[in-house]
Amino acid sequence: TQLLEQSPQFLSIQEGENLTVYCNSSSVFSSLQWYRQEPGEGPVLLVTVVTGGEVKKLKRLTFQFGDARKDSSLHITAAQPGDTGLYLCAGFDQTGANNLFFGTGTRLTVIP
Amino acid sequence: GAGVSQSPSNKVTEKGKDVELRCDPISGHTALYWYRQSLGQGLEFLIYFQGNSAPDKSGLPSDRFSAERTGGSVSTLTIQRTQQEDSAVYLCASSLAGGFYEQYFGPGTRLTVT
Repeated sequence: TQLLEQSPQFLSIQEGENLTVYCNSSSVFSSLQWYRQEPGEGPVLLVTVVTGGEVKKLKRLTFQFGDARKDSSLHITAAQPGDTGLYLCAGFDQTGANNLFFGTGTRLTVIP
Repeated sequence: GAGVSQSPSNKVTEKGKDVELRCDPISGHTALYWYRQSLGQGLEFLIYFQGNSAPDKSGLPSDRFSAERTGGSVSTLTIQRTQQEDSAVYLCASSLAGGFYEQYFGPGTRLTVT
């Protein structure tokens, strides 16, 4: 089983603050994805990173894939209450398996 | 267009009973996945269907769990002789094809075993 550990597990911040969520593994992934999930709904894909060292930006969100393709980070600038949710990283390993391995999740609360 | 739908949205059952959970994928999507999510945690892969190929059942936790996909569309996840540890949200996702294609998730079925 490929383990993806996320930190922190819980994060509560004030509106306007910056934050970073980490996703770490001892395994190499061919690609890594970040999802956001709101209560009562399924996860929604935010981004896919494929190349080691890759950086992708989505408005106030910046995603980075580690050089060794074992870790990733999500940085949110000037957090908004609408950013509140459960953030999940997930990766496809290099065996060609059909399933995504999901991280343990980071629950973010942005207080107005 | 319509997204992935799942039914029921909530299911409460007594320990030892069998349950069936249904997933309607997005029309035209050949790949279908089932995941299990414990309270506030990440998702655990259960089973994967791709077209007419034999399903990848490597994530099913015990032989009490089974799933089928009829006509390459609707899927049913069956849990026999439910146990309290089966309580979780069961999520279904579909994608245009397998591999790296984006997975679209349904809202899930919350199963509570009393």
